[in-house]
Amino acid sequence: KNQVEQSPQSLIILEGKNCTLQCNYTVSPFSNLRWYKQDTGRGPVSLTIMTFSENTKSNGRYTATLDADTKQSSLHITASQLSDSASYICVVRGVNTGFQKLVFGTGTRLLVSP
Amino acid sequence: DAGVTQSPTHLIKTRGQQVTLRCSPKSGHDTVSWYQQALGQGPQFIFQYYEEEERQRGNFPDRFSGHQFPNYSSELNVNALLLGDSALYLCASSRLGQENEKLFFGSGTQLSVL
Repeated sequence: KNQVEQSPQSLIILEGKNCTLQCNYTVSPFSNLRWYKQDTGRGPVSLTIMTFSENTKSNGRYTATLDADTKQSSLHITASQLSDSASYICVVRGVNTGFQKLVFGTGTRLLVSP
Repeated sequence: DAGVTQSPTHLIKTRGQQVTLRCSPKSGHDTVSWYQQALGQGPQFIFQYYEEEERQRGNFPDRFSGHQFPNYSSELNVNALLLGDSALYLCASSRLGQENEKLFFGSGTQLSVL
């Protein structure tokens, strides 16, 4: 069964600190993996996409990694800001899984405290 | 360029009633997907529309139906509402074959069933 599991479920860190969020998946064959940021009461917004051949990709203070062999991805946030408080959702797309069938993780809820 | 717009933003209904939610996709997009997101959970795929036809469907009962219009906008209808239908309903648009079909989400409609 295609699944995406994220950890931790929730996280509280102090402003200015770094943190790393984890995503493990069983989706196979694998096409790509996206990290989305979702502010409370809003729709998710794409932060970055990782394809099979990519190991690391940065978007400002956000750095995503992908290990396609172990089927793991991480999202590292550097020098956290209060505005980073949100849910971070990992979404994996498989190959030949239909017209568009994405597998969503349940997200990690991050709270950055002053 | 307007992004994905959804209406209404909030809605309160009672059990047994019917509801219609609306979505206008991002300019240039031809595909609309609907998701249900319960509090603290990741989005769950309801269905996707392309060329005015339902192309994929998640594990939702027939009480959930939809429609896509020639201008690519879409509606989600839910009949015989249950308390468990209370959730944030997200609409996402994309363009078939573009940018690994990156999803752009609206801000959602918060539905409360009393």
